[in-house]
Amino acid sequence: ETGVTQTPRHLVMGMTNKKSLKCEQHLGHNAMYWYKQSAKKPLELMFVYSLEERVENNSVPSRFSPECPNSSHLFLHLHTLQPEDSALYLCASSQDFSTEAFFGQGTRLTVV
Amino acid sequence: AQSVTQLDSQVPVFEEAPVELRCNYSSSVSVYLFWYVQYPNQGLQLLLKYLSGSTLVKGINGFEAEFNKSQTSFHLRKPSVHISDTAEYFCAVSDSNYQLIWGAGTKLIIKP
Repeated sequence: ETGVTQTPRHLVMGMTNKKSLKCEQHLGHNAMYWYKQSAKKPLELMFVYSLEERVENNSVPSRFSPECPNSSHLFLHLHTLQPEDSALYLCASSQDFSTEAFFGQGTRLTVV
Repeated sequence: AQSVTQLDSQVPVFEEAPVELRCNYSSSVSVYLFWYVQYPNQGLQLLLKYLSGSTLVKGINGFEAEFNKSQTSFHLRKPSVHISDTAEYFCAVSDSNYQLIWGAGTKLIIKP
């Protein structure tokens, strides 16, 4: 149990579907992150939230839309994805930006 | 921009043998350094971190790493590996801009 929970663990969606990934942390952390992990590539930071405000958006396509309704929850809304978006999506949280991140188990996304 | 290089994409080693996973980073400023481990179908878990102080850092599961500022390296070592150490290991660097820069990962393959 890492304190960061992601649902669902696996998701298969068509290119015209709309779905959402959910992340929840019960660690009292102030920062939350979305990462994309593709095979044979370094981890890609997608979004960073600090105290519910987005502070980083690393040129992510608009078909990915994050939402942070409170400090414990983070969502990633997906629509009209492409097959190359298939990857493991990892959520993480940290107390602040200088401390280590705690990761969820990830959502394995397959776009067909 | 900072970068992190993990020189080996995979390292095969016999069980109970020692192992070293290499990590080099490019930075002329103070950094925080991390090693994370990812077991199959899991998220990332912190192994150890260097923030300041002693350059030899001990982590979980018998791993340790040494920060070498002159060589800008942070190599991970374990004196005797077990089958359960089979995983992918990621080196990461964080600077005053807070963003974690990740290496591409090294797969540790334990041979019986």
